[in-house]
Amino acid sequence: AQSVTQLGSHVSVSEGALVLLRCNYSSSVPPYLFWYVQYPNQGLQLLLKYTTGATLVKGINGFEAEFKKSETSFHLTKPSAHMSDAAEYFCAVILNFGNEKLTFGTGTRLTIIP
Amino acid sequence: DTAVSQTPKYLVTQMGNDKSIKCEQNLGHDTMYWYKQDSKKFLKIMFSYNNKELIINETVPNRFSPKSPDKAHLNLHINSLELGDSAVYFCASSQSYTQYFGPGTRLTVL
Repeated sequence: AQSVTQLGSHVSVSEGALVLLRCNYSSSVPPYLFWYVQYPNQGLQLLLKYTTGATLVKGINGFEAEFKKSETSFHLTKPSAHMSDAAEYFCAVILNFGNEKLTFGTGTRLTIIP
Repeated sequence: DTAVSQTPKYLVTQMGNDKSIKCEQNLGHDTMYWYKQDSKKFLKIMFSYNNKELIINETVPNRFSPKSPDKAHLNLHINSLELGDSAVYFCASSQSYTQYFGPGTRLTVL
């Protein structure tokens, strides 16, 4: 069973438009949730994370995400897309807090249209 | 200073060869990981070590052997390389449930 699902392997938005990347998880216990970004030929960089506390979390580069337990979702948003946001975005979860195993979604490639 | 570093960045080799990838972190973290990213960008954990002790060992062929000489280093040795081993391999280290990734090693097996 897939622990984390990213809807849309490719998303295209116009420069200046809202960015919305979807992530849903499957777990009876709220996991720890993460968004990572991967620029071409680079490693993964942490954008933001949710562990406990405030459900709206702000990250780097103007991104934010909201943990919604009732919807088992952790969607990533940015109000206004910039050309430099073009990259691959990965949602990830930790379900086993003993070994901290990070399970990734399949990724969403974000393209910005000038 | 690079937090998590890997060498080499690119590795091209023939089938059947043995190769190693090295990883070092200067963050003082106790836990380190190896991930494999395939051609479709899918990321999967292979191993994790906590303070030199193996914690996670996913379903990985035993041709892959991690070695942790100290908690700042986690190397990956691969025997008898196969075409299907071609991928990008990422090292990571973690603290407080947050993982920090290295730049990756692109392995191409010909």
